[in-house]
Parts: sequence; structure tokens; C-alpha cells
Amino acid sequence: GQQLNQSPQSMFIQEGEDVSMNCTSSSIFNTWLWYKQDPGEGPVLLIALYKAGELTSNGRLTAQFGITRKDSFLNISASIPSDVGIYFCAGLNTGGFKTIFGAGTRLFVKA
Amino acid sequence: SAVISQKPSRDICQRGTSLTIQCQVDSQVTMMFWYRQQPGQSLTLIATANQGSEATYESGFVIDKFPISRPNLTFSTLTVSNMSPEDSSIYLCSAGGGRGDKNIQYFGAGTRLSVL
Repeated sequence: GQQLNQSPQSMFIQEGEDVSMNCTSSSIFNTWLWYKQDPGEGPVLLIALYKAGELTSNGRLTAQFGITRKDSFLNISASIPSDVGIYFCAGLNTGGFKTIFGAGTRLFVKA
Repeated sequence: SAVISQKPSRDICQRGTSLTIQCQVDSQVTMMFWYRQQPGQSLTLIATANQGSEATYESGFVIDKFPISRPNLTFSTLTVSNMSPEDSSIYLCSAGGGRGDKNIQYFGAGTRLSVL
């Protein structure tokens, strides 16, 4: 079945540093999504990407939909302690409801 | 986007008992899903809750263990039956296919289950 390879698995960074994480797949997706899960909460949608090559920002977050439609990355600039959590990428094909999730990137930010 | 309310938020249960988790969406949605998540791990899809018909279960999950109801377009329940300590996990409800949301899934806050 379809799988997403998300990396890195975890990151330990200093406050103020920039962060980059990515997701790759052997399959094409029409939509790429990035979620964040805070401790004790459910995943919350951060950014949705609908078109190959699309670059979208949400505050300090920037995500891109790869040209091949098989990958996506998420960047966080000037990290702060509240960025701590698990970041999940997800791929979805329109016309279907099944969303494929990556294994997550666990981000730890040291003040 | 849809707002998902899930309850209970947490519970501690005895081995052999059953727990029913409720999921309420603030708008009509086409699809509702149930996931299991071990702390710090990724999401594992248990089943798709189909309105008015039997749920569609993923490999490794069966209806006798995880019966699901979906009586209408805004509500679903998941029951964890005959629990054992191995069922201790976070259970998440999600919903998608609402008006204008392009099939994106939105999640509840989860139910943290501990089985003694």
C-alpha cells in the first residue's frame, strides 16, 4: 500500500533555530497536508497544499508541494518553545478519503 | 473546518470491561474515522465509520473487538470491548468531507485509555 517516509524522526534544537522536515513517497498525491500534535491533544492542521510546486506560508511555517507530487517539506523559522510537538505529513488523493500519514517528526526546542 | 468533540477525554478501566467513546462533529460530514495512537507514535487507522452501514475495518482490527456506530452525519461511537492492558492507547476520532473542506480530516482531542 501507499506509504510516506518522513524524516527526521526527531530533532533537538535551540530556540531561534530554523527547522526543516520532509516527506517522500513512491506514490503520487494530489494533496499534501501538514499537521501538528501538541502533547495531550489531537493533530491540528497547519498547512494544506493542492498543487505541484505550490509554496504556502502560515506565519513562521512554510511548506511546499514537490514538483513530482511525491514529496513535500515543512520549514519552521526562528523556533520557539511552543513549537514542541509531533509534526505529521499526510498525503491524500482527491476523490478518495483515505489519508496516508507519515510516522511523524518529534520536535524538541530548548529555550 | 469541522470542530470535533470527543469524550471521555481519558479513562482508566479494568481488564475485561468495555468502553464506548463518543465523537460529535459540529457540521455534517461525509466521512468519520477512528484511529489508535501509542504515545509518541504515529496514527494507525482502525476503521472508517460509514453512515447507515457497517464500518470498514483495516487489517488487524475486527468488529467484535471494536464495534462502531454511525447513526447520522455528525455522530459516531467506538467501543473497545473486553479490554486488556494491550488496549491502553490514545483513540482519536476524525471527520472529513464536509462542505468545502476538500476531504481534509480534522481531529478530536483524543481519548486516553489506560487498562489495568
